[in-house]
Amino acid sequence: DAKTTQPPSMDCAEGRAANLPCNHSTISGNEYVYWYRQIHSQGPQYIIHGLKNNETNEMASLIITEDRKSSTLILPHATLRDTAVYYCIVRPQGGKLIFGQGTELSVKP
Amino acid sequence: EAEVAQSPRYKITEKSQAVAFWCDPISGHATLYWYRQILGQGPELLVQFQDESVVDDSQLPKDRFSAERLKGVDSTLKIQPAELGDSAMYLCASSLVLAGVQETQYFGPGTRLLVL
Repeated sequence: DAKTTQPPSMDCAEGRAANLPCNHSTISGNEYVYWYRQIHSQGPQYIIHGLKNNETNEMASLIITEDRKSSTLILPHATLRDTAVYYCIVRPQGGKLIFGQGTELSVKP
Repeated sequence: EAEVAQSPRYKITEKSQAVAFWCDPISGHATLYWYRQILGQGPELLVQFQDESVVDDSQLPKDRFSAERLKGVDSTLKIQPAELGDSAMYLCASSLVLAGVQETQYFGPGTRLLVL
């Protein structure tokens, strides 16, 4: 079973920041938070992952709370091409990826 | 940028027929995964290979599904006979192994199977 809770859907205006929340209150000390997204009819795309520090790459930023029980994925300037299902997954190093239902993000013009 | 390749992208077959999917992982990735994704759900792991060896096939329906990675590079997933409930997206992923640990998984575009 997935160890994360995400809202089923969210809307975001094009050009604005998209903030996608994820709860993982039972996360263990050796588990990483991973984010993938899946655009319709494509394979999942890796976005970012982190352990306890905030992370940023060319796609997004990942903010993890100090107690590590929740995190937020931030897409700083959402575009229509960011419309996708976003999956938040907790995974021990080398462990399985267990996908939940994810958040369906709709970016609207 | 290196990518995981899969073929075919789409497959339509009739129930009781055999069907096969092919995956070529990113070069140098020792670990290869096959997932199944039913419409509206997240992907579920079917089988995991480390080089040519199966390390996890606990969720693979072994009565009709088989997977092989004979030379530890590309892989084939076969279904025989196909059933209506096998209609799904079949995804392949691969990852590096560093210091004995599987790193980030990268996915291919998937093969969408429709069984009639």
